[in-house]
Amino acid sequence: AQRVTQPEKLLSVFKGAPVELKCNYSYSGSPELFWYVQYSRQRLQLLLRHISRESIKGFTADLNKGETSFHLKKPFAQEEDSAMYYCALSFIQGAQKLVFGQGTRLTINP
Amino acid sequence: EAQVTQNPRYLITVTGKKLTVTCSQNMNHEYMSWYRQDPGLGLRQIYYSMNVEVTDKGDVPEGYKVSRKEKRNFPLILESPSPNQTSLYFCASSLNGIPGAGELFFGEGSRLTVL
Repeated sequence: AQRVTQPEKLLSVFKGAPVELKCNYSYSGSPELFWYVQYSRQRLQLLLRHISRESIKGFTADLNKGETSFHLKKPFAQEEDSAMYYCALSFIQGAQKLVFGQGTRLTINP
Repeated sequence: EAQVTQNPRYLITVTGKKLTVTCSQNMNHEYMSWYRQDPGLGLRQIYYSMNVEVTDKGDVPEGYKVSRKEKRNFPLILESPSPNQTSLYFCASSLNGIPGAGELFFGEGSRLTVL
């Protein structure tokens, strides 16, 4: 079955340190992957999608089909990066579907 | 302002008392969906709608109903709520009826407690 796994429920790093939020997916076809973020008291919103190959707020994510991963990375964490992060997979199963991982709560310590 | 609006934002109710959570979007989006968010389980899809009068079950539809009579509205109905439906609910929409082809826009969430 199609699945997204975020192995870390909680991740805590110091300001200025590198950040990597892990995401692994299970899908035999060509995946479309996304990262969504929910800052405190804000709506869940799209951070980036792999097809765009862009950097948003210093974050990047590379699709690794061999490892079926789409890890989110940032070289130098900032306090405003503290949030809940969700990895999501889009695929076709009859209709187009979008499934989310369990989420990782990232805390950046000063 | 383009947005997805949910009501009520907070609700405490009792087992068996029917309730409806409304969702409205003003972006002329075709696709709408309901998710519930539970600790450790992330976001799970309840129902979705590709367009008016077209709805389908998501991963956790039991105990819920939806309708899509108008493009802008997608209410979530709990006919007989039970305590295991205590959760944070999110409505979301996207433009083209294909959730993965574009961005999902989310409402602010509705926190429901069933006693």
